[in-house]
Amino acid sequence: KQEVTQIPAALSVPEGENLVLNCSFTDSAIYNLQWFRQDPGKGLTSLLLIQSSQREQTSGRLNASLDKSSGRSTLYIAASQPGDSATYLCAGSGGDYKLSFGAGTTVTVRA
Amino acid sequence: SAVISQKPSRDICQRGTSLTIQCQVDSQVTMMFWYRQQPGQSLTLIATANQGSEATYESGFVIDKFPISRPNLTFSTLTVSNMSPEDSSIYLCSVPPGQGSYGYTFGSGTRLTVV
Repeated sequence: KQEVTQIPAALSVPEGENLVLNCSFTDSAIYNLQWFRQDPGKGLTSLLLIQSSQREQTSGRLNASLDKSSGRSTLYIAASQPGDSATYLCAGSGGDYKLSFGAGTTVTVRA
Repeated sequence: SAVISQKPSRDICQRGTSLTIQCQVDSQVTMMFWYRQQPGQSLTLIATANQGSEATYESGFVIDKFPISRPNLTFSTLTVSNMSPEDSSIYLCSVPPGQGSYGYTFGSGTRLTVV
């Protein structure tokens, strides 16, 4: 079973700065690596999905990379905005599609 | 990507009672998952709901406490039985990514408070 770790637990940056969120996992046979956003009291919003054959995915200001050999994924958010303030969750699965979640990184972007 | 309608969105229940949570998907899916998010924590998988067969439970979760139904490929229910305050959590259903989708889809969650 995947063990997923996210560091740091919390991050505060001024508006405009680039964000770098880290995720590590224990099983290099990872099948899917998914980044989510969760706002307080809300459900999960899927951000980027990286499948095992891929190395990165991009959507607008977001870019996520996957390095299976080192057991790491990184989510980059360019030119952060106060609206990016949320908790970001990383989760990995094997071929059974069962997700194991990290504890999340809570991001605060200061105006 | 699939769209999931989950209800109720929240409930306050008396200890010892049961609550059934429903998830309706707008397309047919083979697998559905149920997760729990305890206060201040991340998500933990409860079980996999498979149509036409018994649900598969993760370690620490049992059918008597969390019975699951999956009558067809678009619908599932999770019941939280004989509730105690420790069951106060957010419960979410999810479906895995389909062809060409952007990722996993989650229901909006059911915030359960047991008093």
